[in-house]
Amino acid sequence: SQQGEEDPQALSIQEGENATMNCSYKTSINNLQWYRQNSGRGLVHLILIRSNEREKHSGRLRVTLDTSKKSSSLLITASRAADTASYFCASIPTDKLIFGTGTRLQVFP
Amino acid sequence: DTEVTQTPKHLVMGMTNKKSLKCEQHMGHRAMYWYKQKAKKPPELMFVYSYEKLSINESVPSRFSPECPNSSLLNLHLHALQPEDSALYLCASSTPRTETQYFGPGTRLLVL
Repeated sequence: SQQGEEDPQALSIQEGENATMNCSYKTSINNLQWYRQNSGRGLVHLILIRSNEREKHSGRLRVTLDTSKKSSSLLITASRAADTASYFCASIPTDKLIFGTGTRLQVFP
Repeated sequence: DTEVTQTPKHLVMGMTNKKSLKCEQHMGHRAMYWYKQKAKKPPELMFVYSYEKLSINESVPSRFSPECPNSSLLNLHLHALQPEDSALYLCASSTPRTETQYFGPGTRLLVL
C-alpha cells in the first residue's frame, strides 16, 4: 500500500530551470524522506525532514513540510542534466518505510 | 564503506530453476531489507531482518525465501518463480532505529 501520492507523475524541464515535485501522504508521520533513483538503479537518500520542521535545505535541494495538509514539496534549483531521475517521497507511518508513487524528472541540456 | 552491494546485477531464470540473490554491507547496520520494484512503480517492501532475525514478512509467497547468515549478508532464495515475479529486487540496510536506508544497485530478474 502506498503512503504518498506524488505529482506531477512526470516533469520535463530545461537545464537551469527549477523543478518542484509534491507529495501528499495519508497518516501522521515523524519524518518524511526524499530519495532519488536513476534509471532502474538503487535509491539514494537525499534529505529527511522531521515533523517539527517546516523547511530544510541541502545544496540545491529545498524541502518543505506542511503537517496540517499532510504534504511536502521538493524543489531542485538550477537543475542539471544529471538530475534526470525518479524522485520518491517516503515515510514510516507504522514500522516500515513506504514510498510515494514517484515523479519522473527529465532535464534536457 | 557506505556501500551496499548486490549480486548478480542481472538474472534470467526459468520457472523450474532455483537461484539466489545476494546482498552485502559493511556499515555495521543491523537491519536489512528486501524490496521488489516493478517498472515505473515505487519499491514495495518484502522482508525485514533486524539483528539477523526476520521481523517483517509482507505476506510474500513462499517461493521467495530470505536468509540472513550474518550481520553483513542477506540472501533471497528463489524457487519456482512465475513470470510476474520479474522485477528489480533491491536490498537496503539501516541501523534499526534510523529511518534512512542505504540501497544497493539492485538485481534485475527476468523469469521466463
